[in-house]
Amino acid sequence: LAKTTQPISMDSYEGQEVNITCSHNNIATNDYITWYQQFPSQGPRFIIQGYKTKVTNEVASLFIPADRKSSTLSLPRVSLSDTAVYYCLVGDTMDSSYKLIFGSGTRLLVRP
Amino acid sequence: NAGVTQTPKFRVLKTGQSMTLLCAQDMNHEYMYWYRQDPGMGLRLIHYSVGEGTTAKGEVPDGYNVSRLKKQNFLLGLESAAPSQTSVYFCASSYNHPPGNSPLHFGNGTRLTVT
Repeated sequence: LAKTTQPISMDSYEGQEVNITCSHNNIATNDYITWYQQFPSQGPRFIIQGYKTKVTNEVASLFIPADRKSSTLSLPRVSLSDTAVYYCLVGDTMDSSYKLIFGSGTRLLVRP
Repeated sequence: NAGVTQTPKFRVLKTGQSMTLLCAQDMNHEYMYWYRQDPGMGLRLIHYSVGEGTTAKGEVPDGYNVSRLKKQNFLLGLESAAPSQTSVYFCASSYNHPPGNSPLHFGNGTRLTVT
């Protein structure tokens, strides 16, 4: 069963830019790439979504290369409140029943 | 604007007992999902529904049943709870089938302990 792959954890300091990469080798042609943020005792929350090249919103940017086999979530000038787990989500083309697979998640710790 | 509401928030069961987790959404979404989250495992899809009256198996469906009798509700049942089903359960909904430009909206979870 194909999966996405992310770093398990990352550390950063307030004010720095943080880039989290997700690998998704079996992404389907029509699939979008979506990133979610999760705080303790809460459900995941949508951050950003894209199909190709670059997408930017008020909280993050998403970079997707031409082959779409990976994506990078970029958080500019992080603050302590950005400490959370970040997940990327794509469809799974290895299984005909089209099961949605979350990545293992990246635990981001922002230090003062 | 409630979004996705899960009940109960916490529950403790003994092995072999049954229970039903309720998920309700007020966004008129077609698609609904049940995930479980265990330490170090991320989110795993249990079952999902693409519309009222339909259900389908996800990644880890064994030991669970679901029903979608009304569009706004998605029920997750455990007929005979086992300690391996101790987990945090999240319900989600979406307007269309994600990730195709249709983000998931999650509830805040139900923490289930089976002793």
